[in-house]
Amino acid sequence: AQKVTQAQTEISVVEKEDVTLDCVYETRDTTYYLFWYKQPPSGELVFLIRRNSFDEQNEISGRYSWNFQKSTSSFNFTITASQVVDSAVYFCALSGYTSGTYKYIFGTGTRLKVLA
Amino acid sequence: GEEVAQTPKHLVRGEGQKAKLYCAPIKGHSYVFWYQQVLKNEFKFLISFQNENVFDETGMPKERFSAKCLPNSPCSLEIQATKLEDSAVYFCASSQLQYNEQFFGPGTRLTVL
Repeated sequence: AQKVTQAQTEISVVEKEDVTLDCVYETRDTTYYLFWYKQPPSGELVFLIRRNSFDEQNEISGRYSWNFQKSTSSFNFTITASQVVDSAVYFCALSGYTSGTYKYIFGTGTRLKVLA
Repeated sequence: GEEVAQTPKHLVRGEGQKAKLYCAPIKGHSYVFWYQQVLKNEFKFLISFQNENVFDETGMPKERFSAKCLPNSPCSLEIQATKLEDSAVYFCASSQLQYNEQFFGPGTRLTVL
């Protein structure tokens, strides 16, 4: 069975602090994909990044960085020098091949509040 | 189009009434997904399509929910005889491949009174 766990329900930080959002996944598949999405207060879901299971290289995009570690089944997301506009719910997701099809599983989300 | 379009933005129905939601996926995307999100919490997968064929319907409460993706028409999700617990935001998403990132529409907020 596949599972995505985002243990942090809500995090509050003060602007300019760094913050890491945790994502732990479970899968028996050897090929799978991991994703992060952002859902700001306006409600739409915005795709941030995709990582496949063969590529453990960390990725940096501006103030965002992602740390993928297969040894701990984690795909954590760090925001450096957080800003108020980063306030949103962040979802981690996993796509793995199960019973002849790819199943897309979302975590329950982490609500990030960045205070001015 | 370049974005997933969903209509209507808001829908209010009395309990027992029918609700129909529409989704136009991004051009060139073969897969369409429907999700239900209650109170900005987790996304519950409902159904997916590969072009006009049902791909995975394991999340659909089949008694009252149905969905279609017909050629040259927006995809639709229909709820017969809505119940209070159907109140949620329904998101449609599309992707090029079944395991790729999904691009989401703005959602339809359904309120059942």
